[in-house]
Amino acid sequence: GAVVSQHPSRVICKSGTSVKIECRSLDFQATTMFWYRQFPKQSLMLMATSNEGSKATYEQGVEKDKFLINHASLTLSTLTVTSAHPEDSSFYICSAKLANTDTQYFGPGTRLTVL
Amino acid sequence: AQTVTQSQPEMSVQEAETVTLSCTYDTSENNYYLFWYKQPPSRQMILVIRQEAYKQQNATENRFSVNFQKAAKSFSLKISDSQLGDTAMYFCAFMIGGRVPGGKLIFGQGTELSVKP
Repeated sequence: GAVVSQHPSRVICKSGTSVKIECRSLDFQATTMFWYRQFPKQSLMLMATSNEGSKATYEQGVEKDKFLINHASLTLSTLTVTSAHPEDSSFYICSAKLANTDTQYFGPGTRLTVL
Repeated sequence: AQTVTQSQPEMSVQEAETVTLSCTYDTSENNYYLFWYKQPPSRQMILVIRQEAYKQQNATENRFSVNFQKAAKSFSLKISDSQLGDTAMYFCAFMIGGRVPGGKLIFGQGTELSVKP
């Protein structure tokens, strides 16, 4: 149980285009989902916290207009990187938390490469 | 603000031996949770073990156990009978009062563990 999927696993796009990444909780309802960014050999950096049906809460320094997060249902959250640039190339990971629990379950990540 | 520190960027251990990864944290909160996550080369984050701060008993999960010293704000992970599949990046993480909306994780820098045959 507690499986989280992400799609796509890898994406390559041209500079200036937008990319959408989906995060799904497959066998549970996630009231809260989180989006992280990870550079090689580094730790996970929290970008935003997404609660179902409400606006995402962004961490300091994360541009909310660039990284659009939608959490329209209890099983799906999306991250859209708008007008992507090479510096946005990174590994993006989502996680989901069951209501009234403490543990986050992570998706397998999405590698974004912006040319 | 809460911080998590892992002072060992890299460690190695021989197969079947025991290794301890260290983690310290700083917080003024009294109700919190601590976790160890493993990230193998596949980069899938896997929960290894969790500890509730109000519990004095150290958590154990098969070959994995923790030494939780609340006063010292220390949360080390011991891996017994190390296996090649334990090779991974290990992250220590902290969460304030998890059973509320939000409950974000704060991660340490990670320790890269290599298990050698």
